[in-house]
Amino acid sequence: GENVEQHPSTLSVQEGDSAVIKCTYSDSASNYFPWYKQELGKGPQLIIDIRSNVGEKKDQRIAVTLNKTAKHFSLHITETQPEDSAVYFCAANDYKLSFGAGTTVTVRA
Amino acid sequence: DSGVTQTPKHLITATGQRVTLRCSPRSGDLSVYWYQQSLDQGLQFLIQYYNGEERAKGNILERFSAQQFPDLHSELNLSSLELGDSALYFCASSVDVTGSEKLFFGSGTQLSVL
Repeated sequence: GENVEQHPSTLSVQEGDSAVIKCTYSDSASNYFPWYKQELGKGPQLIIDIRSNVGEKKDQRIAVTLNKTAKHFSLHITETQPEDSAVYFCAANDYKLSFGAGTTVTVRA
Repeated sequence: DSGVTQTPKHLITATGQRVTLRCSPRSGDLSVYWYQQSLDQGLQFLIQYYNGEERAKGNILERFSAQQFPDLHSELNLSSLELGDSALYFCASSVDVTGSEKLFFGSGTQLSVL
C-alpha cells in the first residue's frame, strides 16, 4: 500500500515569512494529493489539492507543487499569519487516502 | 462546520469494554470513512463504506467493526478495548467512492481507555 512520509514534523516561522512542508509517496499509481489543515479540537479540513496531471497549483497564499518522477510534493505558505498555526497533513490516494504524520506549524508574532 | 456529525465527543471507558461511535455524514454524501488519530501514528485509515457496502479496508483490528445503515449513518464498534485503543476517532464523508475528492471530517470522538 501507499506510504507517505512528511517533513519536518515541527516548523516555527516568523510572521510574514514562508513555510514549506515536503512529502514523499511510494506508490506511483497515486494520482491525487490533498493537503489538510487541522486546528486544535477540530477535524482536518482540506486547504488545497493537486492531481497527477498538474505540476503546480496556487490559491492565494498557498501553493502546492508535484514532482511525479521523484514522487514528492510540497506545500508552500507565503506571508504567514498567526492563523496559519495548525497541524498540516499531506496525503496521497491509491485506493484510499494515506496521510503523512503531520507537521505542526507555529507562526511567531 | 463540515456538516459531518460525530457522537459522542468524549468517551471514557475501561479495558475489556465495548463502545459504539456514531457518524452522520453530510447530506448527499454516500461514502463514509473512519480514521484513527493517535499521537505517534498520525491519521490511520480504518475502513470505508459506500452506500451501505464496505469498499475499502485499512489497518482495522479484528476487534473493531463498522457498518453503514440505509439512512447512510455509520457506526464504528470497538470491543475488548485495550489501553492502546485510546485515540481520536474521526469520521469523514464524501460524495464519491474513489477517494480522489474532498473529504469532510467530523470533529472526532476522543476515546480514553483506562
